[in-house]
Amino acid sequence: KNQVEQSPQSLIILEGKNCTLQCNYTVSPFSNLRWYKQDTGRGPVSLTIMTFSENTKSNGRYTATLDADTKQSSLHITASQLSDSASYICVVSATRRGSTLGRLYFGRGTQLTVWP
Amino acid sequence: EAGVTQSPTHLIKTRGQQATLRCSPISGHTSVYWYQQALGLGLQFLLWYDEGEERNRGNFPPRFSGRQFPNYSSELNVNALELEDSALYLCASSPASSGRIVGTSGRSTGELFFGEGSRLTVL
Repeated sequence: KNQVEQSPQSLIILEGKNCTLQCNYTVSPFSNLRWYKQDTGRGPVSLTIMTFSENTKSNGRYTATLDADTKQSSLHITASQLSDSASYICVVSATRRGSTLGRLYFGRGTQLTVWP
Repeated sequence: EAGVTQSPTHLIKTRGQQATLRCSPISGHTSVYWYQQALGLGLQFLLWYDEGEERNRGNFPPRFSGRQFPNYSSELNVNALELEDSALYLCASSPASSGRIVGTSGRSTGELFFGEGSRLTVL
């Protein structure tokens, strides 16, 4: 069964600290993995998108890693800011007749709260 | 360049009524996706439209339906509203559905761009 599991479910850290969010998946055949940031009541915004051959990708203070062998990904946030408080969603795409879309599997997200 | 726009921002209905939500994709995008996000839950896939046709459907009852217009905008209709239909409905668009991810070259990444959502409350 194709699933995406994220941990922890919620996380509280102090401003300036680093944190790492985890995503484990069983989606097959794998196409790509994305991390989105979703502020409360807003639409998700893409942070990174990684294909099978990419092990790491950075976007400012966000660094995503991918281990396609163990089917694990992590999102590392460096020097957290209050504005990082949001839900972080891991999305895994399965291939489907040559298209990379149309079959996406969403994790339930990690709710990150950054305290001053 | 305008992003994905959704309307209305908020909608309040009562049980049994019908709701219509609208989405305008980014210019040049032909694929539109609809998702439901109930409070505290993850995104649940509803519908995928591309080039005016329904390409895929999630595990939702038939009272959830929609369509895509020639200009690629889309409507989501929910009939016979139930209390549990209260949720944030998100629309996302992407370039042509046949696009493949080419990795770091940046060409045709198949990226999804989300709107800000329509908050539907059923009383």
